[in-house]
Amino acid sequence: DVKVTQSSRYLVKRTGEKVFLECVQDMDHENMFWYRQDPGLGLRLIYFSYDVKMKEKGDIPEGYSVSREKKERFSLILESASTNQTSMYLCASSLRSIRRGLAGAEQFFGPGTRLTVL
Amino acid sequence: AQSVSQHNHHVILSEAASLELGCNYSYGGTVNLFWYVQYPGQHLQLLLKYFSGDPLVKGIKGFEAEFIKSKFSFNLRKPSVQWSDTAEYFCAVMRNSGNTPLVFGKGTRLSVIA
Repeated sequence: DVKVTQSSRYLVKRTGEKVFLECVQDMDHENMFWYRQDPGLGLRLIYFSYDVKMKEKGDIPEGYSVSREKKERFSLILESASTNQTSMYLCASSLRSIRRGLAGAEQFFGPGTRLTVL
Repeated sequence: AQSVSQHNHHVILSEAASLELGCNYSYGGTVNLFWYVQYPGQHLQLLLKYFSGDPLVKGIKGFEAEFIKSKFSFNLRKPSVQWSDTAEYFCAVMRNSGNTPLVFGKGTRLSVIA
């Protein structure tokens, strides 16, 4: 059973702080993703990674960076947190397409981190 | 750019009513299609998915969805909803080429009242 864990369920930070959100998956998935979820806006992709040390920008990368030093871990970094980054952050993982063959690429999600920036 | 439209922001139904949630996407090529559900306080989980074959797919908890290629649609249905179906539902699309990420719709909140 795939398990995606996130380091915190709730986090409160102050404007200007550097924030680290950690995500770990235990199913040897190559692909990992960071989304933010806001009411009425659905899920928006921040960054994703296809392999260790690789990263790709999603739809809203501004103000964020990521790190993928190990296959199972994908970190989201807010260099200088701002109030408009208050949101629910979701991490997900999936198999690389060549390994899943014709099967659809289901993404497995973590429980989310609700970040409040004051 | 690829986009996904969910027509209803909030749907309110009585128990035992039938449900249909609309989803349309804009990408013209081969796609994989998903419906995810998020129950209050819980993480997103997969309801069902389509990647090929029979366009009518069945998922968990009595949900089904029909892929109509000509209409670029993948509507979610359930013949009789229960109070426990109260949740937010997200449609998602992925191009069936390489490691492209899912593109999600904005979600539909379903409230089922007794």
